[in-house]
Amino acid sequence: DAGVIQSPRHEVTEMGQEVTLRCKPISGHNSLFWYRQTMMRGLELLIYFNNNVPIDDSGMPEDRFSAKMPNASFSTLKIQPSEPRDSAVYFCASSRQGLAGQGEQYFGPGTRLTVT
Amino acid sequence: QQQVKQSPQSLIVQKGGISIINCAYENTAFDYFPWYQQFPGKGPALLIAIRPDVSEKKEGRFTISFNKSAKQFSLHIMDSQPGDSATYFCAASMTSGTYKYIFGTGTRLKVLA
Repeated sequence: DAGVIQSPRHEVTEMGQEVTLRCKPISGHNSLFWYRQTMMRGLELLIYFNNNVPIDDSGMPEDRFSAKMPNASFSTLKIQPSEPRDSAVYFCASSRQGLAGQGEQYFGPGTRLTVT
Repeated sequence: QQQVKQSPQSLIVQKGGISIINCAYENTAFDYFPWYQQFPGKGPALLIAIRPDVSEKKEGRFTISFNKSAKQFSLHIMDSQPGDSATYFCAASMTSGTYKYIFGTGTRLKVLA
């Protein structure tokens, strides 16, 4: 099992540019989560998909952030336009949710975003 | 009511000692409490998890103690090793509903050789 795959691992961009982060969840998992981690705010949930449908986007900071999951094996998180305060490590996690209840969330290696 | 409060923020322990990290929650609907371990440059990884129907769960040197009435749970690392040096996060969630985790703020553990 390859685990959760994220790309790119590092991204440096200038303020105002569009940034797209990518995630491939573990095969067979039906839930996908995008998190942001900073020293100041810790680990924050941005958005959560179940069966490719966004369930809870209450953590998305503002309209500059958008996320899509066009199929079960791919998701993107887009920031447009990017700002220096968006600098953080962005994690994608996936899990299998079902009638048996809660599944463990498996995290990817993260994308370190720096906006100058 | 959705917060999970974690303490201490950082912890230094001698090799062989016991590391203890505490978490508290308010929402009585939470019924799943995982602990994650994160090494620098890596994503968090599940270490151990507990449900409120038991008061303790042990896996190797790692033990979760759970106090339902006090709405508190803690992670104990016995015989702490330098390789345990990492950041530890507690979390809480509901197994019915949205399934999302509410994470604590993290504890940076350093075990001295």
